[in-house]
Amino acid sequence: AQSVAQPEDQVNVAEGNPLTVKCTYSVSGNPYLFWYVQYPNRGLQFLLKYITGDNLVKGSYGFEAEFNKSQTSFHLKKPSALVSDSALYFCAVRDRTNQAGTALIFGKGTTLSVSS
Amino acid sequence: GAGVSQSPSNKVTEKGKDVELRCDPISGHTALYWYRQRLGQGLEFLIYFQGNSAPDKSGLPSDRFSAERTGESVSTLTIQRTQQEDSAVYLCASSLLLAGGRDTQYFGPGTRLTVL
Repeated sequence: AQSVAQPEDQVNVAEGNPLTVKCTYSVSGNPYLFWYVQYPNRGLQFLLKYITGDNLVKGSYGFEAEFNKSQTSFHLKKPSALVSDSALYFCAVRDRTNQAGTALIFGKGTTLSVSS
Repeated sequence: GAGVSQSPSNKVTEKGKDVELRCDPISGHTALYWYRQRLGQGLEFLIYFQGNSAPDKSGLPSDRFSAERTGESVSTLTIQRTQQEDSAVYLCASSLLLAGGRDTQYFGPGTRLTVL
């Protein structure tokens, strides 16, 4: 069965420091991987996705993520955190062998708190 | 352009009542998804529509839940005889379907349902 794990419920970093939000996945085939961010009382906003090609994916707001097939991971990173990055982050996966349009499988989310 | 919109933004109802939630997808998006987000949890897939194909209802938790979509436009999610356990944020997403599941889902702001 497909699954996504976000092992940390909360990540705390100081403004200006690098941040990492961890994600590991399990699928039967090759994955498509996504990161979304949710601000309070808002819907999910798309940050970036891995489809194929370069393992390092760059996305919105200075975020990037690295696909690591051997470790089945897709950690979200940013070189220098901002207080405004504080939000709830979701990792999601779709099994590439499934037909187009199938639903994403989401992790439980990681709350990022950036202190000034 | 306009994003995914949902109405109402908040709905408070009494146990046993029926509710209807509405989603307007991004114009031209052929795929539409409904998810449920319970407090402190990730997103649970409910139902998926693609054009005039039969919807994928595999995520609906009970026969009290149903959804309709007219062509490639508005969708309504109906919950009959609401229970307190139905309290959650209901999120709608739409996507421009791409081969092999590469499409990105764009989410609306959600409807927060509270069942008293």
